[in-house]
Parts: sequence; C-alpha cells; structure tokens
Amino acid sequence: DAKTTQPPSMDCAEGRAANLPCNHSTISGNEYVYWYRQIHSQGPQYIIHGLKNNETNEMASLIITEDRKSSTLILPHATLRDTAVYYCIVRPFNQGGKLIFGQGTELSVKP
Amino acid sequence: DGGITQSPKYLFRKEGQNVTLSCEQNLNHDAMYWYRQDPGQGLRLIYYSQIVNDFQKGDIAEGYSVSREKKESFPLTVTSAQKNPTAFYLCASRKWDRGSGGLSYNEQFFGPGTRLTVL
Repeated sequence: DAKTTQPPSMDCAEGRAANLPCNHSTISGNEYVYWYRQIHSQGPQYIIHGLKNNETNEMASLIITEDRKSSTLILPHATLRDTAVYYCIVRPFNQGGKLIFGQGTELSVKP
Repeated sequence: DGGITQSPKYLFRKEGQNVTLSCEQNLNHDAMYWYRQDPGQGLRLIYYSQIVNDFQKGDIAEGYSVSREKKESFPLTVTSAQKNPTAFYLCASRKWDRGSGGLSYNEQFFGPGTRLTVL
C-alpha cells in the first residue's frame, strides 16, 4: 500500500504558485520522498526528491517538514502545461528501488 | 538521443493469446521495471530486474513473465493466465548505485507506455 496521502484534486491559476501537499506520517528515517507527475496517457516524469533538507531544481521546490511527516511540492509559476497528476512517493528502503504509487493529486492549471 | 522505448504504443489481442511487450533502453541503466496502470489509478509494480539474468516479482506478478538476457532489454509477456490484462503498461529504468549499500536515490526514467486491449 502507498504510504502517502494526497488530496485527489487541486486547481491553480496560471502564473501563480501551485502548492501540492503530501502526508507521509509513517516514513522511516532512511526513506526518500519522491515526486513524479504524469500527463494524460504518458509515462510519469521525475520532478524532484529529498530526504530531510529542502530541495530545489529547475522544475520545482520540495519542502519537507522537520519531523518528515509531510512535504509540499511547489511549482513557482504554474503554466497550462503543468496540468497533470502529481504523485508523492515514499520509496521503500532496500527493495530494489521500486516505487509505490498512490492515486496522486490531479492538478488543473486554469487560464 | 538516450531514452526508453516501448513498442507498440497500442496493442490489441484476442482473449487467450499470450502477448509480449517490448522495452529497450540505451541509458546504460542497470535496473529495469515493469508497471501496470488501470484507469484512474496509480502504477503497480509487476516485475523488476537489477542486473542481467536476474529479476524479482513485484506486487502483481501473477499471469506475467519477464526475461533479462541483455542489459538494454526487458520484455514483458502477458500470458493467458492474467485475468484482466487490459491496461496501460509502463517500463522504467534506473542507474543502480552500487557504492551506496542500498541507499541509492537515482530516479527512475519511464518509457511512453503501451496500451494493451484484450478483446
């Protein structure tokens, strides 16, 4: 079973920041948090990952709470092309790198 | 260009027939994965392989088989024993960081997927 909880859907206005929350209250100390997104009928695309520090790359920022029980993915200036299903994943430790996907959050960016 | 290819994009088969889905990568990645996705659901792991000539069952391996004879290729066979084979199938690969004692954090790269419909 997925170890994360995400809202099923969210809306965001184009040009505004999109903040996608994720709860992972049972996360273990050596488990990473990954974020992927999937545009309809395509393969998932890696966005970002982190362990305990906040992370930023060219796509997004990842904010992880100090107790590591939740995190937020931030898309700083959402565009219509960011409309997708976003998956927050806690990767199990020492299981061949497999990912356990939940149902994700369907983000709709509106003009 | 480096990447993962899956062919064909759409596949139709009659019930009771075995079908093999292709997955090829030229990223020199060690590990490869097969996932299944049903409408409105997340991905579920079928099989994965960390090195050539070795593979492990995932969460829903029944009715499927795989082989890993070459590093670049990880074909998936959907057998007639799979009760509900109609789904979107996704292949992924990942560079295996052997130096980190299992704490590898390299991300998985996904192919474009094959949509299988069994009539």
